[in-house]
Amino acid sequence: EPEVTQTPSHQVTQMGQEVILRCVPISNHLYFYWYRQILGQKVEFLVSFYNNEISEKSEIFDDQFSVERPDGSNFTLKIRSTKLEDSAMYFCASSEMAVYNEQFFGPGTRLTVL
Amino acid sequence: GIQVEQSPPDLILQEGANSTLRCNFSDSVNNLQWFHQNPWGQLINLFYIPSGTKQNGRLSATTVATERYSLLYISSSQTTDSGVYFCAVERKYSSNTGKLIFGQGTTLQVKP
Repeated sequence: EPEVTQTPSHQVTQMGQEVILRCVPISNHLYFYWYRQILGQKVEFLVSFYNNEISEKSEIFDDQFSVERPDGSNFTLKIRSTKLEDSAMYFCASSEMAVYNEQFFGPGTRLTVL
Repeated sequence: GIQVEQSPPDLILQEGANSTLRCNFSDSVNNLQWFHQNPWGQLINLFYIPSGTKQNGRLSATTVATERYSLLYISSSQTTDSGVYFCAVERKYSSNTGKLIFGQGTTLQVKP
């Protein structure tokens, strides 16, 4: 069964460093998403991406965040200068269509900023 | 924006018991999904159910879209059912970008 994969599973970084979280969505899916979950809290939407463009982003997704589909299979989230409050679980998801369509989530990357 | 409220926030069951988790939402939705977050933090898709009823083994779900709620039933609970259950919705007539809004979750503990 096809699944969304994410690497790394756990990333530890120093405050101010850049990190890139990687995702491989399901191959025939066209819509891609990033969500995050701070420990003990609910899952929050960060950004949706379609046709090589951001289609919607949340207030959390400020200038330090960027997303990219560098090739036909990968989807990345870059955080330019990490802050302590960026420590969270980051989930990638994908779907065939945007509406009336199930989103499939990857296993997550746990980011720890020291 | 749309509000998603889950109840109860916490639930403790004895193994073998049945339970019902509820998700209320404040507006019409395109999408409603139930997830189980396991102890490793992974979000496991349980149901995609914007309306109607579905069953998968010991789990079933019903969404009454006109009344803006969804129910997740767990029968004959097992210790492996422990974890956090999230409901997530996409508001209808929104930007149609697929943005899911999650509830706060129900934390279930099943005791042996």
